[in-house]
Amino acid sequence: GESVGLHLPTLSVQEGDNSIINCAYSNSASDYFIWYKQESGKGPQFIIDIRSNMDKRQGQRVTVLLNKTVKHLSLQIAATQPGDSAVYFCAENLWGNKLTFGTGTQLKVEL
Amino acid sequence: GAVVSQHPSWVICKSGTSVKIECRSLDFQATTMFWYRQFPKQSLMLMATSNEGSKATYEQGVEKDKFLINHASLTLSTLTVTSAHPEDSSFYICSARGGGGLQETQYFGPGTRLLVL
Repeated sequence: GESVGLHLPTLSVQEGDNSIINCAYSNSASDYFIWYKQESGKGPQFIIDIRSNMDKRQGQRVTVLLNKTVKHLSLQIAATQPGDSAVYFCAENLWGNKLTFGTGTQLKVEL
Repeated sequence: GAVVSQHPSWVICKSGTSVKIECRSLDFQATTMFWYRQFPKQSLMLMATSNEGSKATYEQGVEKDKFLINHASLTLSTLTVTSAHPEDSSFYICSARGGGGLQETQYFGPGTRLLVL
């Protein structure tokens, strides 16, 4: 149901610094993971994905790390820019089934 | 590639009326589409999964008679909120996934903001 007064975890970084957003996932059998970026009033935008047979994957300015031992996922953004300000969600997928989303982290880039 | 559109982007309606939201995959065929609901500062809540040509699978607690889903073609799914009430006001987002494997990424539409007065 709807919750009132929830506050997303917030990460504040200076423009040009690197950002690291963390996510703990729930199911050790999940085999596919995705990071999404959601700007205010918009739908989630795919950033990067990683399969469970990998522990690191790099994209343009972004890197995803997967630690299956502790069920932890992280998103690293290099040289953070004001346009990176958004809410970031991790999502896990089990056997091609539905995605399960994390709670989200608000990234604020300070000039 | 992998563009998903939604229409309308926002809608205001009176309590008791029905509202239809369309979700289209513009450049790929979506064997599966998903409908989510999102409240402010919260994560996405999956409402239902629809496969082309078959009945939608609803998540626990989602009223199938209130949220009617039709996936008539590989590029179009619709969500109809029937007899809408103020508590149905929310941000509704669809996503689409193509065929060709179990690990296809879901691509999301821009969302539809519904306000029921």
